[in-house]
Amino acid sequence: GENVEQHPSTLSVQEGDSAVIKCTYSDSASNYFPWYKQELGKRPQLIIDIRSNVGEKKDQRIAVTLNKTAKHFSLHITETQPEDSAVYFCAARPMEYGNKLVFGAGTILRVKS
Amino acid sequence: AAGVIQSPRHLIKEKRETATLKCYPIPRHDTVYWYQQGPGQDPQFLISFYEKMQSDKGSIPDRFSAQQFSDYHSELNMSSLELGDSALYFCASSPTNTEAFFGQGTRLTVV
Repeated sequence: GENVEQHPSTLSVQEGDSAVIKCTYSDSASNYFPWYKQELGKRPQLIIDIRSNVGEKKDQRIAVTLNKTAKHFSLHITETQPEDSAVYFCAARPMEYGNKLVFGAGTILRVKS
Repeated sequence: AAGVIQSPRHLIKEKRETATLKCYPIPRHDTVYWYQQGPGQDPQFLISFYEKMQSDKGSIPDRFSAQQFSDYHSELNMSSLELGDSALYFCASSPTNTEAFFGQGTRLTVV
């Protein structure tokens, strides 16, 4: 089955700097890659996603890039703010019956002011 | 906009007891997922339903079962509870092949 690896596990940046989180996946048939932000004790919230027919997608300070050949995708946050501090999860959806999402282990992002 | 509704938000049970968690998906979403998230862990897929039929099964213990009803709400039934079942349980729903939206979760504590 699909396996998603996420790096780094923790990331500290200074306010205003950029943050990059990377994920690799194993199933070349996976076709959908969302990113979720989760604050402590709260639900994961979708912040951006990308499909396998697109190489890059941007939404204000957040962007996601996908390299299908290398089977990796990355989240880029520019001009980080303290409220960006949270746990970020990448996920992949294998092309199989059921459409479940397989999550990475998460990245704790701390933005220092 | 309506979101995924889960109840209860918090639940405390003793070992060997039974618990039932409920999920009301976003209207017109045809897929419901259940995830378990332990402290500091990523969400682990338990089970999913597509149009009220079980569509996929993950690492769900045999002590757990789930179903989706005619009104599309879903219930996760957990029996013979163990201390290790203490976790956040999330329900999520999505339209076919698109974004999954998570509910607020049920925090289950087994004592």
